[in-house]
Amino acid sequence: DTAVSQTPKYLVTQMGNDKSIKCEQNLGHDTMYWYKQDSKKFLKIMFSYNNKELIINETVPNRFSPKSPDKAHLNLHINSLELGDSAVYFCASSPGTGVGTQYFGPGTRLLVL
Amino acid sequence: AQKVTQAQTEISVVEKEDVTLDCVYETRDTTYYLFWYKQPPSGELVFLIRRNSFDEQNEISGRYSWNFQKSTSSFNFTITASQVVDSAVYFCALRGEAAGNKLTFGGGTRVLVKP
Repeated sequence: DTAVSQTPKYLVTQMGNDKSIKCEQNLGHDTMYWYKQDSKKFLKIMFSYNNKELIINETVPNRFSPKSPDKAHLNLHINSLELGDSAVYFCASSPGTGVGTQYFGPGTRLLVL
Repeated sequence: AQKVTQAQTEISVVEKEDVTLDCVYETRDTTYYLFWYKQPPSGELVFLIRRNSFDEQNEISGRYSWNFQKSTSSFNFTITASQVVDSAVYFCALRGEAAGNKLTFGGGTRVLVKP
C-alpha cells in the first residue's frame, strides 16, 4: 500500500485554468504538507496542516488554496494558473508538528502552457 | 533563520568508486534534526536518514554512511562502492523549532554513476 499518494501524477493545462491536486496518506499522521520543486530542483514548503488546521502558510500567492477535509487528506487548489506555476508539487506527512520525519508522495508534475 | 548548503551541484563517478556529498547547515536552534533524501530519476523523494543534534555518532547502513560534525555544522554523506542505481539527486535538509519546524532543503547534489 502506498503511504502517501497524490493524484494526478501529471497535469497539463492552459494558462488561466483552475486545477486541483489531491493527496492522501494512510500512515495515521497528524500533519501534512505541500512543497513546490522548481525547474532547478529547489524544494520549498508552501503549506502545512495539523489535524485539519493550517499551521504554516509561506509567502504563496492567494491563487493557491489548500483544503484539508480530514487529517488523512490535503488537497491543493490553484486558481488562474500562470506559466510560473509549472513545477513538481509534493505532498508529505509526518507524525506531528515536531521534528519527526516527513514522508513524501510521488509528486505531481504540473505544466502550464 | 536556518539554511542548508550543498556546495556540490553535480558529481560524476565511475561505478565502484566512493562518493562523498557535503552538507553544511546554519541554525540558531540547540535542538534540531538533519535529514538526507534521495530523488532518483523517477522523481519521488525517498527518506534515507534522520539524525538529531545531540547524537553525533556516525551511522552506517549498507553502502551508505553519514558523518555528523556539530563543530563544523556539517552532515556529510558517503556512498561506498557506488552503483549505477545510486544515480540520483540527493538532498540534505534541516528542521528546527526556531523556523517553526519547517523542513529547509539544500539545493541538492546530482550524482551520476557511470558503468
